[in-house]
Amino acid sequence: NAGVTQTPKFRILKIGQSMTLQCAQDMNHNYMYWYRQDPGMGLKLIYYSVGAGITDKGEVPNGYNVSRSTTEDFPLRLELAAPSQTSVYFCASSWGSEAFFGQGTRLTVV
Amino acid sequence: AQSVTQLGSHVSVSEGALVLLRCNYSSSVPPYLFWYVQYPNQGLQLLLKYTTGATLVKGINGFEAEFKKSETSFHLTKPSAHMSDAAEYFCAVSKGSQGNLIFGKGTKLSVKP
Repeated sequence: NAGVTQTPKFRILKIGQSMTLQCAQDMNHNYMYWYRQDPGMGLKLIYYSVGAGITDKGEVPNGYNVSRSTTEDFPLRLELAAPSQTSVYFCASSWGSEAFFGQGTRLTVV
Repeated sequence: AQSVTQLGSHVSVSEGALVLLRCNYSSSVPPYLFWYVQYPNQGLQLLLKYTTGATLVKGINGFEAEFKKSETSFHLTKPSAHMSDAAEYFCAVSKGSQGNLIFGKGTKLSVKP
C-alpha cells in the first residue's frame, strides 16, 4: 500500500519556467490537499479538492493551479516559476479526520 | 477564523527528561486538534488527535495531549524523552472531521544524551 506518492522528490527550476508536481494516492480518499512548507512558518494550504472535478483555493494560491480529473491524482502546476516559490511542497489526502502526507517535493527556483 | 500558536520554535531536553510542547488555538467552533511529527526529510505523521469525548488523548511513541477548553490549549507531553524523539512537531486545528488543517509554525525538539 503506497499511500500518497509525490514526484519528483527534488527539482531546480529557472525563473519563468513551468512544471507540474505530481501527487497520487491509492487509498480512495475524496479529500486531497497541497501545502507548502517554509522554514519557521509551518505549512500553508495552497489548494484543496473535495472530490474529482472539484477544487478550491487555500490560503496561498497565487502562482499555482490544480486539477482533479480522477480520485487518485491531484497535480499542482507552477506556470511562471518565481524565487518566492522555492519551498518544500507536500501533498496530502484524508479520510475522516486523519490526513496522510506524501514525502514532499523540494523545489528551488533560481 | 482558526489559528494555532506554538510557544517555542526550539525546545531542548535531556534524554529521560519530560517533554512538554505547548500549543494554543483559537476557533469559533468546537475544534478538532492534532499533533503531527516530522523527521528530517520526511513527510508528516499523525501522533495523536482530539475530536470529541475524552480530553486526554494518547498517541504513538508514548506521547499524549490534553484538550483544555478553558485554556484553549492542547499541549503535547511525554514523560521520558528518547533520542529518537528528536524531530519537528506541528500542532494543527480543523473545523470538524473534513476541515482543512491549519498548522502552527512548528517546534523543533532536540534531545541531548
